[in-house]
Amino acid sequence: DAKTTQPPSMDCAEGRAANLPCNHSTISGNEYVYWYRQIHSQGPQYIIHGLKNNETNEMASLIITEDRKSSTLILPHATLRDTAVYYCIVIGYGQNFVFGPGTRLSVLP
Amino acid sequence: DTEVTQTPKHLVMGMTNKKSLKCEQHMGHRAMYWYKQKAKKPPELMFVYSYEKLSINESVPSRFSPECPNSSLLNLHLHALQPEDSALYLCASSQDNGPQEGLFFGSGTQLSVL
Repeated sequence: DAKTTQPPSMDCAEGRAANLPCNHSTISGNEYVYWYRQIHSQGPQYIIHGLKNNETNEMASLIITEDRKSSTLILPHATLRDTAVYYCIVIGYGQNFVFGPGTRLSVLP
Repeated sequence: DTEVTQTPKHLVMGMTNKKSLKCEQHMGHRAMYWYKQKAKKPPELMFVYSYEKLSINESVPSRFSPECPNSSLLNLHLHALQPEDSALYLCASSQDNGPQEGLFFGSGTQLSVL
């Protein structure tokens, strides 16, 4: 079973920041938080991951709370091409990636 | 080369046919995966190969038969499938079977069983 809880859907205006929350209240100290997205009928695409610290790359930022029980994926300037299902996954060593239902993000013009 | 290549992209087969899905990566990854995804649902893990040995079979029916001929190739042999097996089949690979490596996915094979 997935170890995360995400809202089923969100809307965001084009050009604005999209903030996607994820709850993972049972996360263990050695488990990572990963984010993937899946555009319709394509394979999931890696976005970003982190363990304890906040992370940023060319696609997004990941903010992890100090107690690590939740995180937020931030797309700083959402475009129509960011419309996708976003999956938050918690995974530890020796485990496999288990996908929950994710959040369906719709970026609106 | 940072791609996972899956062929064919689309496949239509009858319930008595035998077909194979193919997956290839040249990133030197030692773990490879098959996922199944029904419409509007998340991907579900089917099989994991680690160093060319099957390490996980998530109670998948025997009409699905995986094969890992070498570290770059992964096949999924299909025989006597049912219409409910129609789905997007995704292949993925990772450096090793560890969380810090992440998964690289192919674009999938859309399978329709008639």
